[in-house]
Amino acid sequence: GQQLNQSPQSMFIQEGEDVSMNCTSSSIFNTWLWYKQEPGEGPVLLIALYKAGELTSNGRLTAQFGITRKDSFLNISASIPSDVGIYFCAGPGGGADGLTFGKGTHLIIQP
Amino acid sequence: GAVVSQHPSRVICKSGTSVKIECRSLDFQATTMFWYRQFPKQSLMLMATSNEGSKATYEQGVEKDKFLINHASLTLSTLTVTSAHPEDSSFYICSASTPGLPPEYYGYTFGSGTRLTVV
Repeated sequence: GQQLNQSPQSMFIQEGEDVSMNCTSSSIFNTWLWYKQEPGEGPVLLIALYKAGELTSNGRLTAQFGITRKDSFLNISASIPSDVGIYFCAGPGGGADGLTFGKGTHLIIQP
Repeated sequence: GAVVSQHPSRVICKSGTSVKIECRSLDFQATTMFWYRQFPKQSLMLMATSNEGSKATYEQGVEKDKFLINHASLTLSTLTVTSAHPEDSSFYICSASTPGLPPEYYGYTFGSGTRLTVV
């Protein structure tokens, strides 16, 4: 099946720093999604990308869909403590259009 | 839009008993609901896809007789973990979808999850 390779696995940063994480795939995705999950909660959709090359922002978050539809990055500018969590990339490609998820990037912010 | 509710949020059960988890779409009718499982420190894995009024489709390696899915209405799907064992302890999460609506209704919105602990 389709797989999403997400990196880095974890990030330890200082408050105020910018963050960048990315996802790659060996196969084409028609949609690329970025989620944030906090402990004990379901993932929350941050940004959805539908067109190759699309660059979309949501507040301090910016994500881009690669031209080849096989990669995407998520940037967070000026990180704050509430940005802590696990960030997942995902795309349709599970059974009957369920989602395939990357392994996640665990963001830890040090005061 | 696209609000999905899940109940209960936590459940502890004894080994050998069955547990039912509910997933509801609150503001739209969902023709399809997806069930995922997430083990600690791991990613979400699709377990099964349920379509209203028909049998669920299970992903490879997921036992359909252990994880019974019922999607009897356009707003409710249930996942029953039968004869639960400690290895079934996990975080179960659902999403709901209806093609033809805006993309936010394509199964991209998740419930808040159910933490199952089997003792």
